Amino acid sequence: EIVLTQSPGTLSLSPGERATLSCRASQRVSSTYLAWYQQKPGQAPRLLIYGASSRATGIPDRFSGSGSGTDFTLTISRLEPEDFAVYYCQQYGSSAEVTFGPGTKVDIK
Amino acid sequence: QVQLQESGPGLVKPSETLSLTCSVSGGSISPYYWGWIRQPPGKGLEWIGYISYSGSTNYNSSLKSRVTISVDMSKNQFSLKLSSVTATDTAVYYCARLNAMATYYFDYWGQGALVTVSS
Repeated sequence: EIVLTQSPGTLSLSPGERATLSCRASQRVSSTYLAWYQQKPGQAPRLLIYGASSRATGIPDRFSGSGSGTDFTLTISRLEPEDFAVYYCQQYGSSAEVTFGPGTKVDIK
Repeated sequence: QVQLQESGPGLVKPSETLSLTCSVSGGSISPYYWGWIRQPPGKGLEWIGYISYSGSTNYNSSLKSRVTISVDMSKNQFSLKLSSVTATDTAVYYCARLNAMATYYFDYWGQGALVTVSS
């Protein structure tokens, strides 16, 4: 089973700042099978990025994804007030199993 | 616009079976995959399993012995059964569409259903 590790656990930033979130896999992950989600309190997760770098429908271009192999990054270029939330990465592996990372909380400094 | 809605008992006794149904509207069950994910209070997301429109399944190995996911195309629904539950199964349970066309990601989610395991 591929284990995903996300860092940092919490990121304290101010609106307008740049956020860089890391997702590291215990084994190589195909970029095709790496996705990112945003979750706000009391809400279901929302798909942001799929295929490591493709934005989902309606997602602002301040969100971008990159990476390959075992290291992937979600970048929010300029934080808006509505971006303070928890972010999860997710992978689909060769064993046909899905795993989520533990999440990174982006909160207001 | 595809919409998903979970339904089922919010309280289940220990050792009993948790049963939830996800109703899909605004789109067809076919030709997609459909999954269940849960989130214990204050914790992260845990994938439970998924099913294709044709009925093939894949489950989280840590839950496999207790999980059954089924699909009813005539009702545009799919269901989750989790047997022998304990307090650690208390969570918000989400159903979601797994887009498996060229990659695998959950693009539509239900609002979630809180299930508490308690006597």
